[in-house]
Amino acid sequence: AQTVTQSQPEMSVQEAETVTLSCTYDTSENNYYLFWYKQPPSRQMILVIRQEAYKQQNATENRFSVNFQKAAKSFSLKISDSQLGDTAMYFCAFMKRGGGNEKLTFGTGTRLTIIP
Amino acid sequence: NAGVTQTPKFRILKIGQSMTLQCTQDMNHNYMYWYRQDPGMGLKLIYYSVGAGITDKGEVPNGYNVSRSTTEDFPLRLELAAPSQTSVYFCASRPGQGGYYGYTFGSGTRLTVV
Repeated sequence: AQTVTQSQPEMSVQEAETVTLSCTYDTSENNYYLFWYKQPPSRQMILVIRQEAYKQQNATENRFSVNFQKAAKSFSLKISDSQLGDTAMYFCAFMKRGGGNEKLTFGTGTRLTIIP
Repeated sequence: NAGVTQTPKFRILKIGQSMTLQCTQDMNHNYMYWYRQDPGMGLKLIYYSVGAGITDKGEVPNGYNVSRSTTEDFPLRLELAAPSQTSVYFCASRPGQGGYYGYTFGSGTRLTVV
């Protein structure tokens, strides 16, 4: 079974600064996907970024980028030029590829607060 | 295009009561999931379905039942509600083929059992 660990329950940063959220995972699979989801106070789960394990290039989406270290099983999220709207819970998640019953396994989340 | 719709958004149940959480999606997705999110925790999988007529248990299925009679609907049934089932429940879906872009989530149901 896969496990996902987020060791930072809470973080805060000044607006416009850069912040990095940590995530590690444990798996014996070689082919999988990793995700970061954002959950604002509205409770909606929003996909932030996705990484395919077989791609060495780190994924980027505008101000969001990841540092994917497959050997270390590490998948951190960097938010550049942070904005007040980035305040939310952030969840790291893992999905095995293949087998027909792929499911997301989530970490416990990091509560990020952007300070004006 | 409504995506994944969950009803109700909030509900208070008394211990021992039963209820059904409704989930419907209009994207013709094969795969559907039910998760619960306890305070300060991540999401844990209750049940999932890979298509109409096919369901399977997830990590925390005890106290719940599901059915999948159509592609669109995936209701979650709570029998004999207990305080431990106080949580936020999320329904999600994804396509069968090439569905590796994560899930589409509903907006959640906050359930309190008193």
